[in-house]
Amino acid sequence: EGQLVESGGGLVQPGGSLKLSCTASGFSFSGFAVHWVRQASGKGLEWIGRIRIKSNEYATSYSESVKGRFTISRDDSRNTASLYMSNLKTEDTAVYFCRLGFDPWGQGALVTVSA
Amino acid sequence: SYELTQPPSVSVSPGQTVRITCSGDALPKKYAYWYQQKSGQAPVVVIYEDKKRPSDIPERFSGSTSGTMATLTIRGAQVEDEGDYYCYSTDISGDLGVFGGGTKVTVL
Repeated sequence: EGQLVESGGGLVQPGGSLKLSCTASGFSFSGFAVHWVRQASGKGLEWIGRIRIKSNEYATSYSESVKGRFTISRDDSRNTASLYMSNLKTEDTAVYFCRLGFDPWGQGALVTVSA
Repeated sequence: SYELTQPPSVSVSPGQTVRITCSGDALPKKYAYWYQQKSGQAPVVVIYEDKKRPSDIPERFSGSTSGTMATLTIRGAQVEDEGDYYCYSTDISGDLGVFGGGTKVTVL
């Protein structure tokens, strides 16, 4: 059965950077957009961005809360998408999920931004 | 910015029917998706493209839309259906995704 696995979470200081990866196995990664969604502790889901497929020129879009600070990329040859986060703020602390199309989701990676 | 509005919570007795609504101005033109999330787990889609149900989701889950409102219905709710439910869609441009605030379903 296919799955998505996020990696790269951890503790980072305010103003720092971190890169999350999302690796797919068991299904056709290149045929679907990859979305990133986050969830702060005890809060709801927040969509933060997505990257489309090659035929859509790998177009990206971002929520206003992360625009200019976060960058999404993908490497279809490695079945992997990445979320590069810079100028991190304490309010970026959350579990970050990747999602392939509308489903499935990865298990999530915890990012903690704290001094 | 575009928003989807859900009730914060609903409760239902086992075996009864519960409906969760999601309102948004772009819903007449954009698909709605419904996700179930249980504590400490990743969300799982229960309805996609307004009313389609994945093969591994029980038939008691159904989706519908009318105008600017999407509705998730659970007929014959079970205790295992407890959790948080989120609607998801995009703005009218299709570029920006958005989740509703989530609805906590209690079966008791």
